[in-house]
Amino acid sequence: DAGVIQSPRHEVTEMGQEVTLRCKPISGHNSLFWYRQTMMRGLELLIYFNNNVPIDDSGMPEDRFSAKMPNASFSTLKIQPSEPRDSAVYFCASKRVQGSTYTGELFFGEGSRLTVL
Amino acid sequence: EDQVTQSPEALRLQEGESSSLNCSYTVSGLRGLFWYRQDPGKGPEFLFTLYSAGEEKEKERLKATLTKKESFLHITAPKPEDSATYLCAVQARWGLQGAQKLVFGQGTRLTINP
Repeated sequence: DAGVIQSPRHEVTEMGQEVTLRCKPISGHNSLFWYRQTMMRGLELLIYFNNNVPIDDSGMPEDRFSAKMPNASFSTLKIQPSEPRDSAVYFCASKRVQGSTYTGELFFGEGSRLTVL
Repeated sequence: EDQVTQSPEALRLQEGESSSLNCSYTVSGLRGLFWYRQDPGKGPEFLFTLYSAGEEKEKERLKATLTKKESFLHITAPKPEDSATYLCAVQARWGLQGAQKLVFGQGTRLTINP
C-alpha cells in the first residue's frame, strides 16, 4: 500500500517567492496533519484537518502560511512570501479516526526539505 | 503548557550493550504517549502507544514502559540497525473534533557501533 506521499522532496527558492508543498494522505485516512521540523524547535504541529475541515491552525506561524484540503486525497501548504527562517523539513501525516477511538498511529510522509535563500 | 523532555540528547553504545532512553512529560490529562523512530532523511515511524501508567509494550529489542511522569524506551542487546533518532510524543486532549495534536520531544539520537 502506498504511504503518505509528499512533493516536492526538496525545494530551494529565494526569499520572497511563493512555495507550495503537496500531500496525498493514505487512502481511507480522514485526519491530516502538517508538521515542521527544525534542529532548534524539533517537530511542531502547524495545522490539522478532520474530514477535510481545518480543526486547529494555532501552530501556523503567521499569515504568510496557509493550508487547504480541497478533498480527501489532497492537501497543500503554501508559504507566500517565503523567508529564510522558513527553511525546515515539512512533514505531512495522516491517520484514520473512527468514532471516539483514537489509535494514535500517525503515518508520516518522507517530508519536503525547504531551503529559502 | 504541555512539555516533553527527552534524555540524553545523544547516546552511543556498542553492539549488544543494553540501555534506556528517557521521556519526561508535563501534561494535563495524558491521553496517550507515543514512541517513534526516525531515520535520517525519513519521516518518523510509529513504534508504540502507551495509555496508562504501568503499561508496557515490546517489539523485538525494544520495550516501552510508562509511569505517571515519564516513559522509558529500553533497548536490549542493540544492533547497528537500531541506530536512529527516537522521538517521544504526548497527546493531551481527546475527541474526534477536539485537539489531537501530538507534542513531540526533541528526540534522542542513538548510535550503535558494531
